[in-house]
Amino acid sequence: GDSVTQMEGPVTLSEEAFLTINCTYTATGYPSLFWYVQYPGEGLQLLLKATKADDKGSNKGFEATYRKETTSFHLEKGSVQVSDSAVYFCALASGTYKYIFGTGTRLKVLA
Amino acid sequence: GAGVSQSPSNKVTEKGKDVELRCDPISGHTALYWYRQSLGQGLEFLIYFQGNSAPDKSGLPSDRFSAERTGGSVSTLTIQRTQQEDSAVYLCASSLRLHEQYFGPGTRLTVT
Repeated sequence: GDSVTQMEGPVTLSEEAFLTINCTYTATGYPSLFWYVQYPGEGLQLLLKATKADDKGSNKGFEATYRKETTSFHLEKGSVQVSDSAVYFCALASGTYKYIFGTGTRLKVLA
Repeated sequence: GAGVSQSPSNKVTEKGKDVELRCDPISGHTALYWYRQSLGQGLEFLIYFQGNSAPDKSGLPSDRFSAERTGGSVSTLTIQRTQQEDSAVYLCASSLRLHEQYFGPGTRLTVT
């Protein structure tokens, strides 16, 4: 079946460091791909999405490119801030309503 | 406007008891989802509603789990004869547009 694998955390970075959180997927067909973020004490929020190969999703300085050839959707940010500390979830849409989530990667940014 | 709300935020129950978890979606959102998030695991899809209908119940872990949605709005997830392995955070999400889910804060269920 469809699945999502993302790098285990926690990831600890200093402020202004470059961030990469790896995500790979297995799916039949051409799923849509997502990154969700969960800030401490809050619900999951959609961070960005890409619906077809080579699409780049971006939001709040974060980017991820849908790479069909490597079945990947890695999350990147050029310069992280303390306020980016959160848990990040990679997900795919299997069909129109069934979503498969990764296990989440905790990011901690130190001042 | 108001987001997705869930109640209770925390629930501690004894093994064998029944529990009801409630989700109030964003007004007008036709689709509603339930997920379970166990410690160290990703979100596990449980059930999806379109309006009051649940076309896919395949994610419900056992027949102890059931869910309903009334009036195209509020949804209740019921777990009968709770077991310790049911301890998790139960998340609800609603959406109007494809691939735009809005999540509630979740209900943390602890079965002792």
